Amino acid sequence: GQQLNQSPQSMFIQEGEDVSMNCTSSSIFNTWLWYKQDPGEGPVLLIALYKAGELTSNGRLTAQFGITRKDSFLNISASIPSDVGIYFCAGLGGTASKLTFGTGTRLQVTL
Amino acid sequence: GAVVSQHPSWVICKSGTSVKIECRSLDFQATTMFWYRQFPKQSLMLMATSNEGSKATYEQGVEKDKFLINHASLTLSTLTVTSAHPEDSSFYICSAPRTGTNQPQHFGDGTRLSIL
Repeated sequence: GQQLNQSPQSMFIQEGEDVSMNCTSSSIFNTWLWYKQDPGEGPVLLIALYKAGELTSNGRLTAQFGITRKDSFLNISASIPSDVGIYFCAGLGGTASKLTFGTGTRLQVTL
Repeated sequence: GAVVSQHPSWVICKSGTSVKIECRSLDFQATTMFWYRQFPKQSLMLMATSNEGSKATYEQGVEKDKFLINHASLTLSTLTVTSAHPEDSSFYICSAPRTGTNQPQHFGDGTRLSIL
């Protein structure tokens, strides 16, 4: 099935640093979602974006819905050890509310 | 707290066994639920869309006779992996969106299936 291009694939950063990851698509989506997945668990919703150009924050997380509706980015400020995990973008649109997932960004935070 | 519950969280069984996984929406009714499979270090791949009161819709390449889906009530969908073999070993995750347009999907905690 289709997947969204997500970059970077992995990141190793120090605690306190800011993080930025993005997601691009060849298709337009009506909604962009960002999820975090910890090992052995299901993805947890972080931020939902519903409108092109929308910029939304959730604590230290900020995400934007691209104007073209084909991309989105997620920023994490002042990273902490519990930010470790895999971050997935997902686009929602088209038929039957299906989600199309990004390839994931694996984040490692060192002390 | 969790809005989607999945059970069991971990299954180990012999080759040839059929395994049933349950997915429940806890505080809302879900006319549609989704089943995903995730292999190690990969993203989630949609297997099928579970529709309450009607047949599931399977993605291309997913065997409907192998992965039986039943959505008998507005809060429960089940996935049965029939005659499981080692290559069916994977992490299976369900999700459900709340009612409404473009509602985000909420995921269960997944089921780790290991076939010996």
